[in-house]
This record gives sequence, C-alpha cells and structure tokens, in this order.
Amino acid sequence: GEDVEQSLFLSVREGDSSVINCTYTDSSSTYLYWYKQEPGAGLQLLTYIFSNMDMKQDQRLTVLLNKKDKHLSLRIADTQTGDSAIYFCAESMFSGYSTLTFGKGTMLLVSP
Amino acid sequence: NAGVTQTPKFQVLKTGQSMTLQCAQDMNHNSMYWYRQDPGMGLRLIYYSASEGTTDKGEVPNGYNVSRLNKREFSLRLESAAPSQTSVYFCASSGLAANEQYFGPGTRLTVT
Repeated sequence: GEDVEQSLFLSVREGDSSVINCTYTDSSSTYLYWYKQEPGAGLQLLTYIFSNMDMKQDQRLTVLLNKKDKHLSLRIADTQTGDSAIYFCAESMFSGYSTLTFGKGTMLLVSP
Repeated sequence: NAGVTQTPKFQVLKTGQSMTLQCAQDMNHNSMYWYRQDPGMGLRLIYYSASEGTTDKGEVPNGYNVSRLNKREFSLRLESAAPSQTSVYFCASSGLAANEQYFGPGTRLTVT
C-alpha cells in the first residue's frame, strides 16, 4: 500500500539551509507535493514536482526527487524564523484527479 | 478570491449531538475533500467528491456522512458525535491537472 514517511523534527539556526526529507513506497506516484502548516492554520501548498523531473527550484525552495530510491527532499535556503512550521510531504497517483497520501509532517524550528 | 472557506471555525459538542461542517470553494474546482488531523497521525481522508454528484469513502469514513450540494459546496455531517471525533477538520479542493489541493482554514471540533 501507499506510505509516506518523514522525520518528525528538524532544528536549524536562522540563515542556515534546511533540508526536510521524505520517502514514499509507491513507484506509481505521479506528483509529489510539499505543504506548509503554520500554527492554527490550514495547509498551504508550497510546491510540487512531476515524477519525471529530478529537481525543481522556486526562489528559496529546491525540491529534489530521486525516483530510484523513492526519496524526496525540500531544501530551504537562508532559513528565516518565519519558516518555522510543520512541513508535509504528499504523493498523488494520477494526474487530473486523485486522492493524496500525506506523511505525518516534519516540524521545523528555526532559532535566531 | 476567498479560496476555500469553512464554517464554523470552532465548535464544542456533547456526545450524541449532531452537526454539519460547511465548506465552499470559489475556484471552480471539480473535486473536494474532507480530512481530519490528529496529533501524530498526519492528515487522514474521510470522504471525497471527485465531481458534482459523486461521493466516495476515504480512509476513515465511519461516523460521518457527506453531501456535495453543488459544485461549490461540500458538507460533512456528524450524526451522533463521539469523543473520538475530537479533531481538526480540513476541507480541500482541486481541479487542475497536477491535482494540487487547496485547503481551508479548518474547524476545531471538541466532543465532550
């Protein structure tokens, strides 16, 4: 079955880079997503990558996909205290319409 | 655009009471979803509606019913609330080829 795993916690200092990792089990995944959740708020879509891509960059965010190892990572450059949040990895099986399978989330704490 | 809206934001129920959580989206999306979020469990899909007129069970449908009232609105009903249904409930919608889901701000429900 589908399963998405993430480490639970990451602590970094302001200005450093953060790397949040995710592994998934289903090689049929078509799209992989990163969401951010701030305290008391809903999930905000940060970025997504199509399964035939290795990398996607969007300003301070870099997503790397290793399809062979079923490993996805999110790198945040120059991490700021405002980046402190829970980050969720998710996968989708098909394009057009599909349910998503979410990981349990990684709490990122950025200290000044 | 308001995106995805949910009402109410907070609710306290007694065991056995019923209530309906409302969700609406103004993005002309075909698909809508209800999730619950519990500590350490990530997001779990309760029900979804791939398009107007259809609904399907997700991972944890027991104790819930849904109605896709029209393309914009998707409601979640608890017929007889139980303490195990204490959670944060999120509605989401999607309608694009990459199946990005956009989330509402959530309803925090406590059942005593």
